[in-house]
Amino acid sequence: QKEVEQNSGPLSVPEGAIASLNCTYSDRGSQSFFWYRQYSGKSPELIMFIYSNGDKEDGRFTAQLNKASQYVSLLIRDSQPSDSATYLCAVRANAGKSTFGDGTTLTVKP
Amino acid sequence: EAGVTQFPSHSVIEKGQTVTLRCDPISGHDNLYWYRRVMGKEIKFLLHFVKESKQDESGMPNNRFLAERTGGTYSTLKVQPAELEDSGVYFCASSHGSSVSTQYFGPGTRLLVL
Repeated sequence: QKEVEQNSGPLSVPEGAIASLNCTYSDRGSQSFFWYRQYSGKSPELIMFIYSNGDKEDGRFTAQLNKASQYVSLLIRDSQPSDSATYLCAVRANAGKSTFGDGTTLTVKP
Repeated sequence: EAGVTQFPSHSVIEKGQTVTLRCDPISGHDNLYWYRRVMGKEIKFLLHFVKESKQDESGMPNNRFLAERTGGTYSTLKVQPAELEDSGVYFCASSHGSSVSTQYFGPGTRLLVL
């Protein structure tokens, strides 16, 4: 079992729809959770981070964390073609290493 | 403020040769991390420096990889001798402080070993 698992892609949604990306993790000691966006050939770019159970909203993005279920998700509202990218879930137990999932490729069709 | 920079952006070498990758973290960031993504796999942790000290090198694949951060500023990652399976994208990231702060990633070095 992988330490961080993301829903298999690719995920395709029409422009304006809500895209839902999911991630589960195995280390119960994980304290912080990150969503990165990576365009092809580029470096990961931080979109959201969340530390506490519940929802965290930033513009069109909402991160949801449920530590009891070891589950974190990212919702993208009003999806735009420019949101098309690979989304990486990463978890950290402390100030050290991040553990990444394989990523989910999202395509937003105009 | 300048972001994390890496050099070179691309490197193509032959099996058995040596390659040295460089990372300049964001100024003032004590934490520096090396990660690697090989084709078709997830990004994997290699090691973590706090200033000039290796905090965690559990992800280093073998003794052909040597990382240094003399002076606690920039870091180098040397692969000697390179093997075919070392091909991939090597990312460097940095973060500030000892708390669980955001890691900022550099653009990566794309290494191809032929």
